[in-house]
Amino acid sequence: AQTVTQSQPEMSVQEAETVTLSCTYDTSESDYYLFWYKQPPSRQMILVIRQEAYKQQNATENRFSVNFQKAAKSFSLKISDSQLGDAAMYFCAYKDNAGNMLTFGGGTRLMVKP
Amino acid sequence: SQTIHQWPATLVQPVGSPLSLECTVEGTSNPNLYWYRQAAGRGLQLLFYSVGIGQISSEVPQNLSASRPQDRQFILSSKKLLLSDSGFYLCAWTGTLLMGYGYTFGSGTRLTVV
Repeated sequence: AQTVTQSQPEMSVQEAETVTLSCTYDTSESDYYLFWYKQPPSRQMILVIRQEAYKQQNATENRFSVNFQKAAKSFSLKISDSQLGDAAMYFCAYKDNAGNMLTFGGGTRLMVKP
Repeated sequence: SQTIHQWPATLVQPVGSPLSLECTVEGTSNPNLYWYRQAAGRGLQLLFYSVGIGQISSEVPQNLSASRPQDRQFILSSKKLLLSDSGFYLCAWTGTLLMGYGYTFGSGTRLTVV
């Protein structure tokens, strides 16, 4: 079974600085998708960024980018120019091409210091 | 455009009382539907998912059940709530052709069993 591991329960960053959240996953599949979700204090789950495993180019969405290392099964999220509104729980998730379900990591709580 | 509705937003119920949480999706047909539970400060636990009317898969044996009486309606129920059923419940959907785009989540229900 696939597993997703987020080894950092909590991270903090100074406003305007850059922070990287780590995620590793375990799979025997070659074709799959990876996601980062943000859950602010409102607890609404918001999709931040997605990556298709067959694409070598790292996905980017404004201040959010990923470092996808397929061989290492690593999928980290980089937040540049951190803002107070970035404070939230961040969940990494995996889905292979065949299954119907996302597998989530345990989450990383990001605090942003003014 | 597709939208997902989940209600109620908050609920306080006594131990032993019944439960019914409802989730509906608009703007699509034959969605895959999911119920997740999240304990405070914790990750997401998949409870049930459904790929069609009357088709329910249970991921975790527990005091809860799910039903899908209509294509775009997903209901989470319990006959007798336990204290351990307290938590934040999230409904999510994805389209069969949209699996690579992750889930779209409802706004959640905060359930407190007293």
